[in-house]
Amino acid sequence: GDSVTQMEGPVTLSEEAFLTINCTYTATGYPSLFWYVQYPGEGLQLLLKATKADDKGSNKGFEATYRKETTSFHLEKGSVQVSDSAVYFCALRMYSGGGADGLTFGKGTHLIIQP
Amino acid sequence: DGGITQSPKYLFRKEGQNVTLSCEQNLNHDAMYWYRQDPGQGLRLIYYSQIVNDFQKGDIAEGYSVSREKKESFPLTVTSAQKNPTAFYLCASSVDRGGNQPQHFGDGTRLSIL
Repeated sequence: GDSVTQMEGPVTLSEEAFLTINCTYTATGYPSLFWYVQYPGEGLQLLLKATKADDKGSNKGFEATYRKETTSFHLEKGSVQVSDSAVYFCALRMYSGGGADGLTFGKGTHLIIQP
Repeated sequence: DGGITQSPKYLFRKEGQNVTLSCEQNLNHDAMYWYRQDPGQGLRLIYYSQIVNDFQKGDIAEGYSVSREKKESFPLTVTSAQKNPTAFYLCASSVDRGGNQPQHFGDGTRLSIL
């Protein structure tokens, strides 16, 4: 079945450091890819998405590029802030023609930014 | 503001008791979903509904039941058959069944056993 693998955390960085969170996927077709962020005690918020190969999703300084050749969707940010501390989830969604199922999630990466 | 409302925020269940978690959306979305989140795990799909009066089992449906009588409502019942119900439950919706549409999430309900 479909699956998503993320780098394990926690990832601890200093403020203004460069961030990369790796995400790779396994899917039978060509999924849409998403990054969600979860702050403590809250639901998930969509951070960015990409729906086809070579698409780049971006939002709030975060970027991720859909790489079909490496089946990857790594999340990057050039300069992190303390407010970026959260859990980040990579997810995929397939569309089979008969309707889309739910999202398939990675286990999440806990990011801690120290001042 | 449009969004997804889950209630209650915290819920406690006694042994042998069924409990129902509420999920309401005013986004006019066709599709709705229930996920379970355990510590250190990603989210796992319990049930989903692509249209009123229709729903499908997800990966971990055993011990749960749902209904979809109205477009805006998708309640989840955790039955006594679910032996390990302690978790954070998240409801989501999306505008249609298209695979490139993101899902929007509520703030969750945390269920614990008394």
